[in-house]
Amino acid sequence: DQQVKQNSPSLSVQEGRISILNCDYTNSMFDYFLWYKKYPAEGPTFLISISSIKDKNEDGRFTVFLNKSAKHLSLHIVPSQPGDSAVYFCAASKSTGANNLFFGTGTRLTVIP
Amino acid sequence: DGGITQSPKYLFRKEGQNVTLSCEQNLNHDAMYWYRQDPGQGLRLIYYSQIVNDFQKGDIAEGYSVSREKKESFPLTVTSAQKNPTAFYLCASRTGQEYNEQFFGPGTRLTVL
Repeated sequence: DQQVKQNSPSLSVQEGRISILNCDYTNSMFDYFLWYKKYPAEGPTFLISISSIKDKNEDGRFTVFLNKSAKHLSLHIVPSQPGDSAVYFCAASKSTGANNLFFGTGTRLTVIP
Repeated sequence: DGGITQSPKYLFRKEGQNVTLSCEQNLNHDAMYWYRQDPGQGLRLIYYSQIVNDFQKGDIAEGYSVSREKKESFPLTVTSAQKNPTAFYLCASRTGQEYNEQFFGPGTRLTVL
């Protein structure tokens, strides 16, 4: 049972425009959410995170929004750059217990120059 | 330079052979994880260890075994009982604190012929 879902397998955006990647989750016990960026044949790299006590976290061009009532989070990248082209994974965890991460299936972002 | 190393990058084995994938970290992290990634899928947790000499099964532990004799090392053995061993394997680690991201190694691509 997939507890974290990324329903868009791919997204194409023009350079300079905004990229919006979406993620939904089903487990209301999740209280910490992360986004990772991954290039082919490499390990994921941490991008940005948000805890459930916040609804927004910003780091440079990257902003994550959390809507707890809808069990939905999104990653905004603005402006998008060709180097942002990669697969983005959403992940969620519970602060109680082992803090394991539950990953979505990823969204491949292509930024067109 | 602190980080996580996985070796080798590419590994080929014949069907029926056991194979051990290496994962070493010098980040002084308490917890370590093994994931598997298949095409078009997210990362699935195989095993994790929160402390030396202790480890727990993840979602897809069947056909795999691990050990955690040292804090910095968490090797994964893919046994002949694993029905579909060909995949990209990722190791990760994190501190024991709440709300901390996992750091990933570069991965090992295992191909069973």
